[in-house]
Amino acid sequence: KQEVTQIPAALSVPEGENLVLNCSFTDSAIYNLQWFRQDPGKGLTSLLLIQSSQREQTSGRLNASLDKSSGRSTLYIAASQPGDSATYLCAVVGFNTNAGKSTFGDGTTLTVKP
Amino acid sequence: DTGVSQDPRHKITKRGQNVTFRCDPISEHNRLYWYRQTLGQGPEFLTYFQNEAQLEKSRLLSDRFSAERPKGSFSTLEIQRTEQGDSAMYLCASSPREGTEAFFGQGTRLTVV
Repeated sequence: KQEVTQIPAALSVPEGENLVLNCSFTDSAIYNLQWFRQDPGKGLTSLLLIQSSQREQTSGRLNASLDKSSGRSTLYIAASQPGDSATYLCAVVGFNTNAGKSTFGDGTTLTVKP
Repeated sequence: DTGVSQDPRHKITKRGQNVTFRCDPISEHNRLYWYRQTLGQGPEFLTYFQNEAQLEKSRLLSDRFSAERPKGSFSTLEIQRTEQGDSAMYLCASSPREGTEAFFGQGTRLTVV
């Protein structure tokens, strides 16, 4: 059974800092890994999708990497801003299922202080 | 197309009542998923449709829960005889095919009092 872990559970940084969020998963047989942002009481906004054959994806100040063999992904946020404050979730879609369902971690709650 | 749409956004109901939520996926996405998210946790898979066929259900989906996608377009999730433990955010997602990006709606927050 796939398990996804995100560490730390919460992170507080001053504005302008670069930071890294971590995601680990137990089964490396995955189709893809997706990073999401969730604001309080809201739905999920997709940030980056990394296919299993890819090593990283970039969008603006965000860079996500994937090391399938070690079961790890990182989300790098450059020059953090208060507007980046949110919960960040990673999810993997397992290869060993026909459903294409996502297995999520519990998220890292990021606070960027002005 | 403006993305995955869920209705209502918020629902407060008394314990024992039935509730129904609706999800409109992105057009032409044949895969539709329901997830449940409780406070401080990541979303958990409930059920999955490919077109109108419900192909997988989680053990989280008790007999009081039923989901339909009658014409392969919108989907409904009904909870009968609601319990306080059903209070959660119910999220719907769609994707065009296996292994592709999943797009989530804004969710329906259910509070059972």
